[in-house]
Amino acid sequence: DGGITQSPKYLFRKEGQNVTLSCEQNLNHDAMYWYRQDPGQGLRLIYYSQIVNDFQKGDIAEGYSVSREKKESFPLTVTSAQKNPTAFYLCASREPGSRQPQHFGDGTRLSIL
Amino acid sequence: ILNVEQSPQSLHVQEGDSTNFTCSFPSSNFYALHWYRWETAKSPEALFVMTLNGDEKKKGRISATLNTKEGYSYLYIKGSQPEDSATYLCAFNQGGKLIFGQGTELSVKP
Repeated sequence: DGGITQSPKYLFRKEGQNVTLSCEQNLNHDAMYWYRQDPGQGLRLIYYSQIVNDFQKGDIAEGYSVSREKKESFPLTVTSAQKNPTAFYLCASREPGSRQPQHFGDGTRLSIL
Repeated sequence: ILNVEQSPQSLHVQEGDSTNFTCSFPSSNFYALHWYRWETAKSPEALFVMTLNGDEKKKGRISATLNTKEGYSYLYIKGSQPEDSATYLCAFNQGGKLIFGQGTELSVKP
């Protein structure tokens, strides 16, 4: 079945460490997105990529980095510069056409030890 | 920064009740509006993409309307069932980038 796989489901990080969240899709979608959810807030866009080897900052990119070396994969690194990394992270991809809906993974919950 | 507002934040209804909630968005430079349903422990699922003023879309007991001139969309659920319990998200589409509201959490009691 086609879909988006995020791993791991739960992740713990020590202060000062970088950590990478995985997002893989087999939907053959060009566009992929990373969002962050905090309690009481809507999903906020961290980074997005419209095509392989290209990505743009979203509204809250500080402290995060991404790469897009393959169409299927869009990993997100939460760096030590991100002061408040504890959150729920969702990855999404979109069918061709900018009005098309996005398809989401199940998310990764990141916590600081 | 664009603002997308949803109301109410949460709603508790009895099985069989009909309900509706609102999404407000900027009325200028409209491109598209999305509705998603997000059930606990699952991923958000697309319900509707609305693109034209006056659009009405329906999926089973759920329907949505769109007014781009005044910047709002309504989501209606007719005869709510416990399985409708979820958070309903709207998102303003800025040419492929989505700006999400904070969601309306619906709880339907049997």
